[in-house]
Amino acid sequence: NAGVTQTPKFRVLKTGQSMTLLCAQDMNHEYMYWYRQDPGMGLRLIHYSVGEGTTAKGEVPDGYNVSRLKKQNFLLGLESAAPSQTSVYFCASSGLVGVRETQYFGPGTRLLVL
Amino acid sequence: ELKVEQNPLFLSMQEGKNYTIYCNYSTTSDRLYWYRQDPGKSLESLFVLLSNGAVKQEGRLMASLDTKARLSTLHITAAVHDLSATYFCAVGFSNTGNQFYFGTGTSLTVIP
Repeated sequence: NAGVTQTPKFRVLKTGQSMTLLCAQDMNHEYMYWYRQDPGMGLRLIHYSVGEGTTAKGEVPDGYNVSRLKKQNFLLGLESAAPSQTSVYFCASSGLVGVRETQYFGPGTRLLVL
Repeated sequence: ELKVEQNPLFLSMQEGKNYTIYCNYSTTSDRLYWYRQDPGKSLESLFVLLSNGAVKQEGRLMASLDTKARLSTLHITAAVHDLSATYFCAVGFSNTGNQFYFGTGTSLTVIP
């Protein structure tokens, strides 16, 4: 049981390049989330999904797209990277039972946009 | 706009001392979570508080929730170096997608 995994762990992009971050969970969770963490700002929700085939915008969605084609995977895409997207990205998942379950976080992806 | 505020943002304390971290939030919620993050690592769940007056304890950490005051506290008793980390509170909402809103974090350093 790996929990929540993220690929890649670290990436350097040039401005304007695109990339996709992959999140996978093996806990059969319905809900999945993408956050970014910046110094002094805590975690901010980018997009989330309440189930396979569904996605919704969070607090800071601009410049990002997501897809949830399979229940266990949640992809975060950057179509044209900007230096302002330099951050640490965390994926999380949570179960449906009681909808009060805590979120389980992946190890994070460090992204540097030059 | 929902705001989740933690204070202090930075805390340096000596081993053996007690201290409290505060988490205030601006919108009614019946769920409050505390997480710990070590440098360069992911977030680890510490406590889930689900009702007014809830108190949870684990080792030297104790968390409480006052939903009427929209306040949660994380109390540290007789701090040890291993507690050095950043602590986040998060407010949860079950109406849409179990969204969480995080505070800015409290960076705790315990000095020998």
